[in-house]
Parts: sequence; C-alpha cells; structure tokens
Amino acid sequence: ELKVEQNPLFLSMQEGKNYTIYCNYSTTSDRLYWYRQDPGKSLESLFVLLSNGAVKQEGRLMASLDTKARLSTLHITAAVHDLSATYFCAVGAEANAGGTSYGKLTFGQGTILTVHP
Amino acid sequence: DSGVTQTPKHLITATGQRVTLRCSPRSGDLSVYWYQQSLDQGLQFLIQYYNGEERAKGNILERFSAQQFPDLHSELNLSSLELGDSALYFCASSGGTWGRGYTFGSGTRLTVV
Repeated sequence: ELKVEQNPLFLSMQEGKNYTIYCNYSTTSDRLYWYRQDPGKSLESLFVLLSNGAVKQEGRLMASLDTKARLSTLHITAAVHDLSATYFCAVGAEANAGGTSYGKLTFGQGTILTVHP
Repeated sequence: DSGVTQTPKHLITATGQRVTLRCSPRSGDLSVYWYQQSLDQGLQFLIQYYNGEERAKGNILERFSAQQFPDLHSELNLSSLELGDSALYFCASSGGTWGRGYTFGSGTRLTVV
C-alpha cells in the first residue's frame, strides 16, 4: 500500500526566511502533486510534477521531484504572511495502459505553515 | 470557480439519517473521485468512477455508496449516519492531458448531530 509522508507537519516561520517541506512516498510513481488548502476551503492545485528531475516555480514557491529517491520538496523563499496555509503533497496512482486514465491520489498528512511578521 | 461543482455546501443532519452529496465534474473530465477529510484521518480516498463505472475503491464504509450518471455527475450517498461521519467531503475530477491534473470542488461540510 502506498504511503506518503510529509515533514515537518507543523512549520512556524518568520517572514523573509526560507524553508523546505519534504514529501516521501513508498512506491514508484512519477506523478506528484502539491496542493494548498486554507482553513475550511478547497484544495488549490499548486504544482504538477510528472517526471524525474522536474522543477517548477511559482512566485515564492518551488517544487521538485526525484523519483529515484521517491522524494519531492516544496521550497519556500522569503516567506510572507499570505503563504500561511496547509500544504499537501499527493501521489498519483499508475494510469491504465494508454496513459489517459488517471488513478486515485494518495495524500500526505499535510504541513500546517504559519508565517509570522 | 474550479469547474467542479459540489452541492450542498453545508449539511446538518441527525444520527441515523441518510444524505446525498452531489458533484458535477469539470467539463471534459470523465473521472470523478470522492474524498473524506477529517481531523483524525486526514484526506482519505473513498471511491473513483470513470465514465459511469466504478474504477477504484478506498476506505469507503458499507453504509456509503456512490454512482456516476450518464451525464457524468456523481452522487455520494451516506446512510445510517453516525457522529463520526462528520467531515468535509470533497469531489475531484480528472481527465484529458496529464498536465490538467486533478481539480477539487469546494466540498460539502457534513455535520451529524
């Protein structure tokens, strides 16, 4: 059974600092997703990583994927208060032959990020 | 608007009752997934439908059932409700190219009293 583990689970940062959230998963997959969730709200897609070595950046967030190590990272640069939220990584199940059919997502526990002035 | 529509947004009901949650997927998406989010269990996959057929099952209780209709909307039926069923229920859809990923609806918050 696929297990997805994030660390840390709680992260309290000062504005302007940098930090990294780690996402480890237990079986082979090259489909890794990062989501943001504000309290009581839906999951907002941040990054879709589909191959080994993939790196994507959006604003102060950068995500990368190492499929050999079964590890993805979400790096936060010069944090600001607006980044306070819960961040989830999720691993996509293998598709059917033909590659157009998605399988389920398995989520990590989530990292609650709080950015202080 | 993510393109995935869930109704109702909030539901308060008594133990032992039955409720139906509804989801309309993003246009063009054939797969619908249901997830339950609670403080103690996190985000748990319940069930997936693809073009009207059940594709995968997760930790879905026997009291829960789902279906996907020919117009691709899906319903999640929860019966004999217990206090522990109180949670946020999300629907997501996927399809098309890999880069489209999965899109989540705004969720239905179920409170069982």
